[in-house]
Order: sequence, then structure tokens, then C-alpha cells
Amino acid sequence: QLQLQESGPGLVKPSETLSLTCTVSGGSISSSSYYWGWIRQPPGKGLEWIGSIYYSGSTYYNPSLKSRVTISVDTSKNQFSLKLSSVTAADTAVYYCARQLRVPSFVDYWGQGTLVTVSS
Amino acid sequence: DIQMTQSPSSLSASVGDRVTITCRASQSIRDYLNWYQQKPGEAPKLLIYAASSLQTGVPSRFRGSGSGTDFTLTISSLQPEDSATYYCQESYSILFFGQGTKLEVK
Repeated sequence: QLQLQESGPGLVKPSETLSLTCTVSGGSISSSSYYWGWIRQPPGKGLEWIGSIYYSGSTYYNPSLKSRVTISVDTSKNQFSLKLSSVTAADTAVYYCARQLRVPSFVDYWGQGTLVTVSS
Repeated sequence: DIQMTQSPSSLSASVGDRVTITCRASQSIRDYLNWYQQKPGEAPKLLIYAASSLQTGVPSRFRGSGSGTDFTLTISSLQPEDSATYYCQESYSILFFGQGTKLEVK
């Protein structure tokens, strides 16, 4: 059974960089059938797609976050990571990592989510 | 950017009722539309993909339809466990989500 687990600091100071890692177990991140993505959800609000990465390293990002987001992959560790720079309180959210089927495109596996709070 | 607009934002219905949630895209997305269910404290769960295909393991009372810009999620014979927030998501471009529809089952 595929499992995804987010890890990283739960508290980040304003203007700093948020960094999270997703560890994939029970399956290979190098599968040609999937993208690997990050989605966030501010407390009490809706879902926002952040971006996705293919095992080869190709990425696509939400245009509204593109200038601050970097997603990378480490196939040797079966992990992918998110960096979001210059964070503000508006970036406080539950961050989910997810597996996205390429065609048709949908998310079929999610991590449990991790709350990241931006506060001094 | 493609805008996804759901209606209503919330609704309440009784066990056994039939409910319909609508999702409208700001441009044609053909049938590149997914539906998710999210319960409090949990990650979303895929219900429907490609507008009308039922994900494995999802009860058949969930049905998706539509193409182009207008889509619907219909839940026939509501069950108490269907209380949740439902999101549509386009998969034509950047996977934008709708704002969600909160369903309360009385």
C-alpha cells in the first residue's frame, strides 16, 4: 500500500523559507505514470494546488505562487520536497503531499497533511 | 488561469434525499474534471475523475456528469457519512480547485 508522509518544521518565521519533504513508501517515485504534488489548505478554507514534479525533475507550478516555489525530487531517497520562500501569515496552512496520475490527471493518494504556521 | 466556481457553497439535506452540486469552469475544460470529498481532519478522497468515471471503491450513489464548462456531482439517497465538503478540480491546466461545497446530512 502506497504511503506518503510529510515532514518538516511546524513553525516558520515571516520572511523565511518553508521547507517540507514528502517520503514515499510502498511504491517508486520513479514510476512513469505519476506526478508528485503539493497542495495546501489554510485553516477553515479550501484547497490550493501548489505544484507538481515528475521523477525526471520537470515541474509545473501554480502561477500565483510560482515566484516563491521550488519543488525538487530525490529518486535515490524516494522523496520530493517543497520550498516556499518569503512566507507570510497567509501561507499558514495544512500542506499535503500527493500522488497525481498523469493521464487522466487526478490525485489518488494523499499524505496525512502537516500544519505549518507562519509566526514570529 | 481557469476559474472553478461551485454552487451552492453549503447545503443541508436529509438522509435518503438526492442532492446536486454544480461546478462551472471559466473556459471549456472538456471532461477534465475531478470531484473530491473531504471530511474534517482528513485528506480529500477522490470520488469521480474525468467528469463521470467512478473511482474504485466509491459507492454507486455518487455520479458525475457534464462536459465543457458545466458539471454536476449528484448524490442519490444521501447517507449520514456523506456529510463532508466536496471540491471539484480541473485537470485541464494547473489543477485548480473550486471553493468547495459543505454538505450537512440531517
